[in-house]
Amino acid sequence: EVQLVQSGAEVKKPGESLKISCKGSGYSFTSYWIGWVRQMPGKGLEWMGIIYPGDSDTRYSPSFQGQVTISADKSISTAYLQWSSLKASDTAMYYCARLSEGWFDPWGQGTLVTVSS
Amino acid sequence: NFMLTQPHSVSESPGKTVTISCTRSSGSIASNYVQWYQQRPGSAPTTVIYEDNQRPSGVPDRFSGSIDSSSNSASLTISGLKTEDEADYYCQSYDSSNPVVFGGGTKLTVL
Repeated sequence: EVQLVQSGAEVKKPGESLKISCKGSGYSFTSYWIGWVRQMPGKGLEWMGIIYPGDSDTRYSPSFQGQVTISADKSISTAYLQWSSLKASDTAMYYCARLSEGWFDPWGQGTLVTVSS
Repeated sequence: NFMLTQPHSVSESPGKTVTISCTRSSGSIASNYVQWYQQRPGSAPTTVIYEDNQRPSGVPDRFSGSIDSSSNSASLTISGLKTEDEADYYCQSYDSSNPVVFGGGTKLTVL
C-alpha cells in the first residue's frame, strides 16, 4: 500500500524554527515528486512547493519562495518542510502528497502547526 | 499564471444531482488534465476524479468528471447525492510553468 505518514502536531512560539516530515512507503520514493500543501484555518488548499527526491530538484510556489525550505533524505524515504523563523500566520495544517502525472495521490494525514506566544 | 475559479458553495437534496464547475482563467482547459479532490471535515483530501474523468478504484460511479472547451471549464457531477457526500471539493490542474494550481474550493451541502 502506498502511504505517506507525517510527523505529529507542533506548538511553537514566534521566531522559533521547525522542521516537519513526511515518510513514504510502498513505492519507489525516488521516482515521484512530493508536494507540500498549506491549509489555513477555514481556508482552501495552497500549493507550497514540490521536490523530486531522486535528485532533490525543488520548485517553489512564488507565494512561498524564501519563506520555507523543502528537502528530502532519500536514504530514509522522507521529505521535509522547514521554517527558520515562524510567524503566527504560519498557523495551519500542512499536508504532503505524492505527485503522479500531474495529480496528488495519496495524501499524508496532515501536520497541524500552531504558532502562538 | 492561470487561476481556477469555483463557486463558493452549492447545495442540493439527497438523491438529486449536483454539478460543480471549475473555470480556467487563461490557456485551454483541455491542455492539461483536471483533478478533483474531496475533503470531508477534519480529514485530508482524497482524489475523486483524475485526468479529467477517471475515477480511482473505490470511488463510486456516482462521481463523474468532464471538461467543456466552449466555457473553458471542468465539471464534477455527483448523482444520487448522499449525506456522506457533504464536503469541500477542490479542482486542480497545472501547466508547464505552474506545476500545481488549485481552485478555491466549493462547499457542498446536502440538505
